[in-house]
Amino acid sequence: AQSVTQPDIHITVSEGASLELRCNYSYGATPYLFWYVQSPGQGLQLLLKYFSGDTLVQGIKGFEAEFKRSQSSFNLRKPSVHWSDAAEYFCAVVAGGSEKLVFGKGTKLTVNP
Amino acid sequence: EAGVAQSPRYKIIEKRQSVAFWCNPISGHATLYWYQQILGQGPKLLIQFQNNGVVDDSQLPKDRFSAERLKGVDSTLKIQPAKLEDSAVYLCASSPTRDLSSGNTIYFGEGSWLTVV
Repeated sequence: AQSVTQPDIHITVSEGASLELRCNYSYGATPYLFWYVQSPGQGLQLLLKYFSGDTLVQGIKGFEAEFKRSQSSFNLRKPSVHWSDAAEYFCAVVAGGSEKLVFGKGTKLTVNP
Repeated sequence: EAGVAQSPRYKIIEKRQSVAFWCNPISGHATLYWYQQILGQGPKLLIQFQNNGVVDDSQLPKDRFSAERLKGVDSTLKIQPAKLEDSAVYLCASSPTRDLSSGNTIYFGEGSWLTVV
């Protein structure tokens, strides 16, 4: 069965600094990959998704992610973090032909002024 | 376009009491999901409906949890009797179809926050 690992439970960055959140998946074939963000007290909002084609995916709020098959990774990046980006970020995967979205445990982002 | 609606947003109950959560998906979405998100963890799928039929309820604790989507639109998730470990956020979500590999997106509601004391 497919699984997702987010190695970092909590990351703290300064406002204006760059950000990279790590995500590794376990699945033999090409998975379908997602990043969601959850602000305090809110539901999950889709940031971006990868299904095929260009391995660099652009999302909302200035985020991007790169699919690297050789590393089984789908890391999320943002060149300059804003205080409003403080939230919890979840990577998720759907195995090809599956109907089940499997989430990682999340990475909590704190942004210092 | 209206999003996924959930109520109540917050609920505190004592253990062994019952609670029900309601969800209205995005109009026209055939697939509806209930996820459980325990503090510090990612969401876990409890049950998936396609129209008014159950597609997957393998992780639903059926001795205490039940869910229905009688008319294929809105849905209710019930817990009876509640245990302390049921304290979590219950997220309802919907998608146009069940085939997530075709580029469909799952849209989430804001969640119902349950505390069992």
